[in-house]
Amino acid sequence: EADIYQTPRYLVIGTGKKITLECSQTMGHDKMYWYQQDPGMELHLIHYSYGVNSTEKGDLSSESTVSRIRTEHFPLTLESARPSHTSQYLCASKGASNTEAFFGQGTRLTVV
Amino acid sequence: GEDVEQSLFLSVREGDSSVINCTYTDSSSTYLYWYKQEPGAGLQLLTYIFSNMDMKQDQRLTVLLNKKDKHLSLRIADTQTGDSAIYFCAESKGGGFKTIFGAGTRLFVKA
Repeated sequence: EADIYQTPRYLVIGTGKKITLECSQTMGHDKMYWYQQDPGMELHLIHYSYGVNSTEKGDLSSESTVSRIRTEHFPLTLESARPSHTSQYLCASKGASNTEAFFGQGTRLTVV
Repeated sequence: GEDVEQSLFLSVREGDSSVINCTYTDSSSTYLYWYKQEPGAGLQLLTYIFSNMDMKQDQRLTVLLNKKDKHLSLRIADTQTGDSAIYFCAESKGGGFKTIFGAGTRLFVKA
């Protein structure tokens, strides 16, 4: 069973609030990812990291930021949430095999 | 650019075979994947195939790759109601830093 966790599972928050979505993995994986998934749409890569102190923007422009201070954690932050940020956010990690990506259960964010 | 496309819905009867199709644009893709997402859960890798393979079989699952047409398919034999889920096609290059996903095909299995 994959050991990658996201919190919270569900979040409803008001416009303008700062929020941080947590993602933690206990598998020692170097590569971690954040995907944004709207209903019926592709998973879009918004951020990824090769390892500690490494972060890159993905293919989809996002107003969120990420940090990778520790191997296990890859939090995603929105400084000022807007209704357009309403979506599901999926975190994933990948080990040295470069094949299987392990996904968390996702955070469903609603900004009202 | 990189793009992965798949049809959004598929409905089959229990016991029939399901075939989920996917096309991709990046001819340099090295790995091609099928992930399954059940309600309220994250994506789980079902199977993957290297780009130098034409076919891979794993119990009820058969993956076919037509590299010339950049077409990938997943066949589920003897489909069961427990197979109802969203199936995502994905591709990545060697090194696998970025994995590009399709929109997912929602499979409905009727009893």
